[in-house]
Amino acid sequence: AQTVTQSQPEMSVQEAETVTLSCTYDTSESNYYLFWYKQPPSRQMILVIRQEAYKQQNATENRFSVNFQKAAKSFSLKISDSQLGDTAMYFCAFMSGNQFYFGTGTSLTVIP
Amino acid sequence: AAGVIQSPRHLIKEKRETATLKCYPIPRHDTVYWYQQGPGQDPQFLISFYEKMQSDKGSIPDRFSAQQFSDYHSELNMSSLELGDSALYFCASSFLGREKLFFGSGTQLSVL
Repeated sequence: AQTVTQSQPEMSVQEAETVTLSCTYDTSESNYYLFWYKQPPSRQMILVIRQEAYKQQNATENRFSVNFQKAAKSFSLKISDSQLGDTAMYFCAFMSGNQFYFGTGTSLTVIP
Repeated sequence: AAGVIQSPRHLIKEKRETATLKCYPIPRHDTVYWYQQGPGQDPQFLISFYEKMQSDKGSIPDRFSAQQFSDYHSELNMSSLELGDSALYFCASSFLGREKLFFGSGTQLSVL
């Protein structure tokens, strides 16, 4: 069975600093996708970044980048130059075929 | 450990039919969230319940209704189904409204 683990329930970072959110997963699949979603208080899930497992290059989206370690089954999210608007819950997710699995979330607070 | 249980895992319906999706939260969790994820789309927040009362409402169509019962399980009722309702429906639960969010494996609804 696939599992997604986010071991940091809460994190905080000073504005303009860099923070890394951890995510590990367990799967026997070889083809899959990994995602980071941001959930503001509105409860919506906003896609932050996506990584295809077959791509060795780490995905980057502006201030957001991932460190994808396939052998270690690790998929951490780095947020550079943190902004107050980055304050939210962040969910790591795994998809293979029609199956989608979420981690339990990390609550990130950006401190002015 | 017990997880969030969703039933059924797969459901096939015809247009204009009715569907009922069930969600059984983790024991002692008092909050349930419903999300709809269409093919290739981000999960869309539909509705949430805290202590059997609706707590937040998202983009839930008027054709849909939901409730949380005394045992904290929740049901999402969908009437007059449309082709566009075909999606993966996730339920998540938490304790005291936030903190960690635990997602179920989803119900794949196909409307033909």
